[in-house]
Amino acid sequence: RKEVEQDPGPFNVPEGATVAFNCTYSNSASQSFFWYRQDCRKEPKLLMSVYSSGNEDGRFTAQLNRASQYISLLIRDSKLSDSATYLCVVIYGGEYGNKLVFGAGTILRVKS
Amino acid sequence: EPEVTQTPSHQVTQMGQEVILRCVPISNHLYFYWYRQILGQKVEFLVSFYNNEISEKSEIFDDQFSVERPDGSNFTLKIRSTKLEDSAMYFCAVRGTGQETQYFGPGTRLLVL
Repeated sequence: RKEVEQDPGPFNVPEGATVAFNCTYSNSASQSFFWYRQDCRKEPKLLMSVYSSGNEDGRFTAQLNRASQYISLLIRDSKLSDSATYLCVVIYGGEYGNKLVFGAGTILRVKS
Repeated sequence: EPEVTQTPSHQVTQMGQEVILRCVPISNHLYFYWYRQILGQKVEFLVSFYNNEISEKSEIFDDQFSVERPDGSNFTLKIRSTKLEDSAMYFCAVRGTGQETQYFGPGTRLLVL
């Protein structure tokens, strides 16, 4: 079983649509959770951290369900500039390790 | 957000040659990481480095790989004898003390012929 699993997509949506991505992780000892965004041939960039209480940043909402080992990202009012690959990322490990474990990513294409 | 630069941006090398990839964090950091991404695949952890020593490494990080901070600033990844399968994007990442978030440099695209 993959450590972090995501639907690869692509999700093709019109501008203004709401789109949701899901992610599951296998290691129950996972400590922290993030969504990163990666544009083609660029570095991953932090989009937002994910907390059990859920968190929102503008049009983006992230949720974490530790019991189900499930993470989600909701994007409202999609923009053309949201087109990218969205990476679900999990941290587990000691204080001196803290390696990021990446999912393979979900491709989003927003079309006009 | 801390800035990290990487050099070179692109490197083409012959199989069996040594390459050194460099990472220069703009701010002071204690925690450094190398990741790689083979074209079309996910980002994979290679090694973490704290307090001038390796704190964790993956199975990918075999004896052909080494890391160091030779001058207390630059953080380097050396591949001693490159193989075709080493062709990938190599990302350096840093994080600050007391933080979990890692910030990535723009990457070095390595092509081994």
